Amino acid sequence: KAGVTQTPRYLIKTRGQQVTLSCSPISGHRSVSWYQQTPGQGLQFLFEYFSETQRNKGNFPGRFSGRQFSNSRSEMNVSTLELGDSALYLCASSLVRGTTDTQYFGPGTRLTVL
Amino acid sequence: GENVGLHLPTLSVQEGDNSIINCAYSNSASDYFIWYKQESGKGPQFIIDIRSNMDKRQGQRVTVLLNKTVKHLSLQIAATQPGDSAVYFCAETTTSYDKVIFGPGTSLSVIP
Repeated sequence: KAGVTQTPRYLIKTRGQQVTLSCSPISGHRSVSWYQQTPGQGLQFLFEYFSETQRNKGNFPGRFSGRQFSNSRSEMNVSTLELGDSALYLCASSLVRGTTDTQYFGPGTRLTVL
Repeated sequence: GENVGLHLPTLSVQEGDNSIINCAYSNSASDYFIWYKQESGKGPQFIIDIRSNMDKRQGQRVTVLLNKTVKHLSLQIAATQPGDSAVYFCAETTTSYDKVIFGPGTSLSVIP
């Protein structure tokens, strides 16, 4: 079966703009988590969605938001982009919530903010 | 952020040797631990996990050891192969899934 897909794979934006990233989980998976990966900070948890509800949120400002649709697809949005938002944004899906099940990661969206 | 990784630790091993990658975790309340492998240009890939009621778990060519006393986790890879070259991350969380914390990662380089 198809893995986790993320679109777009690469994105270039300028400061102050907003961006929306998309994640399609593995078919049947209901939990979607988002992570930010940078060389300086490593991998950091952004938020988790399950059954269209945000269940957990990491230590990120309110400019970072997300949502999940009834088909479990998820989007994350970053408003008023800053240079420091340049990162690889990873999405992971699992069949059930969190640590009770293996998470499968997508290839990520590489966001560059100029 | 919780993971300040200015310099990625690097481990170089000869093909065929065993590799040991170490990780110190931060939260004594963490009860679930995962090792991920990330190859260049790809997302992390689950390798093996372990819960806090165990101190050792084996998979195919990999073994995870957990020492709760000193909050230490290790990943052992037997007979390391060139395809094992990647960055390896440990992650800690709780079964209530409050928060996932990733280690800074270790870059494994296999010398043919």
